[in-house]
Amino acid sequence: AQSVAQPEDQVNVAEGNPLTVKCTYSVSGNPYLFWYVQYPNRGLQFLLKYITGDNLVKGSYGFEAEFNKSQTSFHLKKPSALVSDSALYFCAVRDPNTGGFKTIFGAGTRLFVKA
Amino acid sequence: NAGVTQTPKFQVLKTGQSMTLQCAQDMNHEYMSWYRQDPGMGLRLIHYSVGAGITDQGEVPNGYNVSRSTTEDFPLRLLSAAPSQTSVYFCASSYAPDTGHGYTFGSGTRLTVV
Repeated sequence: AQSVAQPEDQVNVAEGNPLTVKCTYSVSGNPYLFWYVQYPNRGLQFLLKYITGDNLVKGSYGFEAEFNKSQTSFHLKKPSALVSDSALYFCAVRDPNTGGFKTIFGAGTRLFVKA
Repeated sequence: NAGVTQTPKFQVLKTGQSMTLQCAQDMNHEYMSWYRQDPGMGLRLIHYSVGAGITDQGEVPNGYNVSRSTTEDFPLRLLSAAPSQTSVYFCASSYAPDTGHGYTFGSGTRLTVV
């Protein structure tokens, strides 16, 4: 069965510093991987995805993520954090070998960026 | 372009009552799904649909029913509300998920069962 883990409940960074939000997954075969962001009292917004190809994918708001097959990881990164990046971030995995109909989400990581 | 519209935004139910959470999308997406969000547990899939007339169960389907009579609408029915169903419910849609499309989410329905 597919699963996804976000080992950190919360990540704190100072504005201007680089940030990393970690995600590891378990799925048979080659997964589809996603990151979403949720601002307070809002629905989730799609940030970026990895389907195939280059292991470094770029997304919205200056975020990027690196797919590492050997470590089964898909960490979210940004070179320089903004206070406005403070939000709840979700990693998600989808197994296309089972039709891709069930996207499984991690528990979420809350990012605090301090001015 | 409205995207995914959920109604109501807030609802309080008494234990044993039934209700329907509405979800509508105007993007002609084949795939629609319902998730519930609980603190520390992320989003859990309740039911999903790959097209009109086709639905299937997700991780936590008990106590919920769905139907998909049109491409646009995917209502979620709570048959007999229980306090354990207190949660925030999100509807999401996409083009065919096996092609790697991300989801578009609604703004959510916050449900409290007392």
